[in-house]
Amino acid sequence: GQNIDQPTEMTATEGAIVQINCTYQTSGFNGLFWYQQHAGEAPTFLSYNVLDGLEEKGRFSSFLSRSKGYSYLLLKELQMKDSASYLCAVPRFSGGYNKLIFGAGTRLAVHP
Amino acid sequence: DTAVSQTPKYLVTQMGNDKSIKCEQNLGHDTMYWYKQDSKKFLKIMFSYNNKELIINETVPNRFSPKSPDKAHLNLHINSLELGDSAVYFCASSRKTLDRTHNEQFFGPGTRLTVL
Repeated sequence: GQNIDQPTEMTATEGAIVQINCTYQTSGFNGLFWYQQHAGEAPTFLSYNVLDGLEEKGRFSSFLSRSKGYSYLLLKELQMKDSASYLCAVPRFSGGYNKLIFGAGTRLAVHP
Repeated sequence: DTAVSQTPKYLVTQMGNDKSIKCEQNLGHDTMYWYKQDSKKFLKIMFSYNNKELIINETVPNRFSPKSPDKAHLNLHINSLELGDSAVYFCASSRKTLDRTHNEQFFGPGTRLTVL
């Protein structure tokens, strides 16, 4: 099966750095996705990691450790518009196809 | 604009009614999905179609019936609506079936269904 755990809520201050953790258990690993979802909107793709290490993309970076079943999303120079839910997701292979299994999401509130 | 679109955006209906949600993507993708996001914001896959063929069918009541007339469209029909069906339903598409390669999904804006 697949278990994905991430904190329910986090708060941070504008301009600061925040790290959102995700741990997962999976019977086969095909990468890990991070999505951002603003309230009332659709999830949008942020990052994909399949190899260990840090992938940097502007203010956002994503880290993966396959041996530890652990990933984090790092947000730097936080802005008010970063207030959103951040969803960790892993593909699960089933019936010949992969499907995305999402964590419950971490709701981040950025304060002035 | 290239995108995934859904109609309607909001749907309010009485228990027991039958309703449909439509989804279209003009991204040229082969694979489409329906997700349900409940009040706790948990996003869970319901169905997936690849080139009009049903490939993923999660444990969903058979009151829910997806239909894909062509690979750009995936509709969801719900019979005998129940209170517990109230949720946001997202359609999504991807180039292929997440087959061991990076294959992000593009989500539609969602349909907020409220059953009274």
